[in-house]
Amino acid sequence: NAGVTQTPKFQVLKTGQSMTLQCAQDMNHEYMSWYRQDPGMGLRLIHYSVGAGITDQGEVPNGYNVSRSTTEDFPLRLLSAAPSQTSVYFCASTGGLPYNEQFFGPGTRLTVL
Amino acid sequence: AQSVTQLDSHVSVSEGTPVLLRCNYSSSYSPSLFWYVQHPNKGLQLLLKYTSAATLVKGINGFEAEFKKSETSFHLTKPSAHMSDAAEYFCVVSNLLGSARQLTFGSGTQLTVLP
Repeated sequence: NAGVTQTPKFQVLKTGQSMTLQCAQDMNHEYMSWYRQDPGMGLRLIHYSVGAGITDQGEVPNGYNVSRSTTEDFPLRLLSAAPSQTSVYFCASTGGLPYNEQFFGPGTRLTVL
Repeated sequence: AQSVTQLDSHVSVSEGTPVLLRCNYSSSYSPSLFWYVQHPNKGLQLLLKYTSAATLVKGINGFEAEFKKSETSFHLTKPSAHMSDAAEYFCVVSNLLGSARQLTFGSGTQLTVLP
């Protein structure tokens, strides 16, 4: 049982490049989410999904796209990278009621030059 | 709407002395509350959770937190700090809204433990 996995762990992009951050979970959780973590701001929700085929925007969705074709996978796409997207990205998978406990991946550290 | 306020961005204690990390929340519903810890360059690890059972919640590594509804607080404590406790701590409030679980993170408290 691997829990939540993320790839890559580190990435450097140039402004304007696109890329996809991968996230997968093997706990059969319906709810998955993407956060970005910036110093002094805690974690902010980018997008989330309540099940395969269903996604919605979080607090800071601009510049990011998601899709959820399977229960296991929830990739995050950066369409045209900007320096403001330099951050650490965490994918999370949420267990069932009533606890809503989130399981986090190890994170992807992204730098946009 | 819900929100979380961690009252201290930095806390510094000496090894062996008590730890208190403060968290206040607001929520329109009866929330679930969590504390997570993040060590440098690591992911987030769940310390403990409150889910409307006992108001005093015990977690891993000797940490505990008390849910006080009248004060809308969920402060994290530990009787005796250890060097390995140095990390960033996040208070999180969670509510179920329809089919969505809305989680809101505090901005974090950086704990430094002095020898």
